[in-house]
Amino acid sequence: QVTLKESGPGILQPSQTLSLTCSFSGFSLSTSGMAVGWIRQPSGKGLEWLAHIWWDDDKRYNPALKSRLTISKDTSSNQVFLKIASVDTADTATYYCVRQLAHFDYWGQGTTLTVSS
Amino acid sequence: DIVLTQSPASLAVSLGQRATISCRASQSVSTSSYSYIYWYQQKSGQPPKLLIKYASNLESGVPARFSGSGSGTDFTLNIHPVEEEDTATYYCQHSWEIPYTFGGGTKLEIK
Repeated sequence: QVTLKESGPGILQPSQTLSLTCSFSGFSLSTSGMAVGWIRQPSGKGLEWLAHIWWDDDKRYNPALKSRLTISKDTSSNQVFLKIASVDTADTATYYCVRQLAHFDYWGQGTTLTVSS
Repeated sequence: DIVLTQSPASLAVSLGQRATISCRASQSVSTSSYSYIYWYQQKSGQPPKLLIKYASNLESGVPARFSGSGSGTDFTLNIHPVEEEDTATYYCQHSWEIPYTFGGGTKLEIK
C-alpha cells in the first residue's frame, strides 16, 4: 500500500525559508523510473507543479520558481525534502507530495502553509 | 510553458446524464504512440485523484463510467452516467515538457 505524508511548519513569516518533508511507504525511490514530486494549491485555486526528484537523483524544477527551490532525498529513510527560500504571502497554499511516473498516481493529504507577518 | 485550457469552468448535469469536459493544449502533447495528458478528480477537502492516464487509459479502480479521448491538442473527459459522488472539480495535466502544468479546472455539479 502506497502512502505519502507531508509535514511542514504551518506558518512562516515573509522572507523565511520553508522546509517540507515527505515521508512515504509502499515503494522505493531507488526503483528505476520512480520519482517523487511536490505540487501546491492555494485555497480555492488551481494546481501548480513545483519540482520532482528521480530515482537517479535527477532533479527538475518549475522555472518560475527555480531560483528559490531545492529538492533532495534520503532513499534509505524513504523521505523527500523541499526547501523554498524567501517565502511571501503568494506562497500560502496546501503543499502536496506525490508519487510520480509521468503522472501523479498517489498523493499525500497535503500540508498547509500560511505566510503572514 | 504549455497552457491547458479547460472548458467549461463549471457545469451542472442531471443525475444519469453525460458530463463532457474539454482540455485544449497550446501545442501538441502527442506522439504517434502516446498522448501525455492525464485527468484528475478533486473532491472538496481532498487531494486530487488520478482518473485517466495517457489521455484514454483508465486508472485501476476507477469506475468505467469515466472515459478519456483525444490527441494532439484536444482532449475530452466524459462521465456517463453521472452519479452524485461525481460532484468534484476535474483537472487535466500534461507531462510533455517541464514545467508540467494543469488546466484551470472544471467544477461539476450534479442536479
